[in-house]
Amino acid sequence: DQQVKQNSPSLSVQEGRISILNCDYTNSMFDYFLWYKKYPAEGPTFLISISSIKDKNEDGRFTVFLNKSAKHLSLHIVPSQPGDSAVYFCAAASQGGSEKLVFGKGMKLTVNP
Amino acid sequence: NAGVMQNPRHLVRRRGQEARLRCSPMKGHSHVYWYRQLPEEGLKFMVYLQKENIIDESGMPKERFSAEFPKEGPSILRIQQVVRGDSAAYFCASSPTADRANSPLHFGNGTRLTVT
Repeated sequence: DQQVKQNSPSLSVQEGRISILNCDYTNSMFDYFLWYKKYPAEGPTFLISISSIKDKNEDGRFTVFLNKSAKHLSLHIVPSQPGDSAVYFCAAASQGGSEKLVFGKGMKLTVNP
Repeated sequence: NAGVMQNPRHLVRRRGQEARLRCSPMKGHSHVYWYRQLPEEGLKFMVYLQKENIIDESGMPKERFSAEFPKEGPSILRIQQVVRGDSAAYFCASSPTADRANSPLHFGNGTRLTVT
């Protein structure tokens, strides 16, 4: 039973345009969400997060939107840069327990120059 | 300011052998998590340890797998009698607290285990 879903395995965008990465979750106990970025042969790197009490969090070119009623979040990258090409993982956690992260399968973003 | 260190980076074992994966968390981090990534899959939680204690091992297979985080030294993930299905990338992550809202997990670069 996959609790965090990234239904699109890949996305290709032009440099300078917006990249929108989507994520859906099924567990209503999740109250904290994170995005990680991963390059080949490296570990995931934390990018941005959002608490369930918010609907938007922005950090530079990266913005995460959360729609709790739809159990949906998205990561917007604007403007996209070739260096953003990587696999992006959506993850969720429930506060108060071991707070382990539950990951989606990831989505490969390619930003073309 | 070293990050999470994992070694070896690559490990090849024959079926039936033992694999030992080591993880040194970031300085000041006492919470360690192990994850496994199978090809074309996301990262799956295996076990969460805090110094000398296993807090949550709900993701660990019941047999052949064990983990420890001793008072001194790195955390060890041990796989006995490896089988081909154990071939995967194993990632370790650490944090100073268990509060995800204030301390995201920091990951190492992983150990890629290949069982022949």
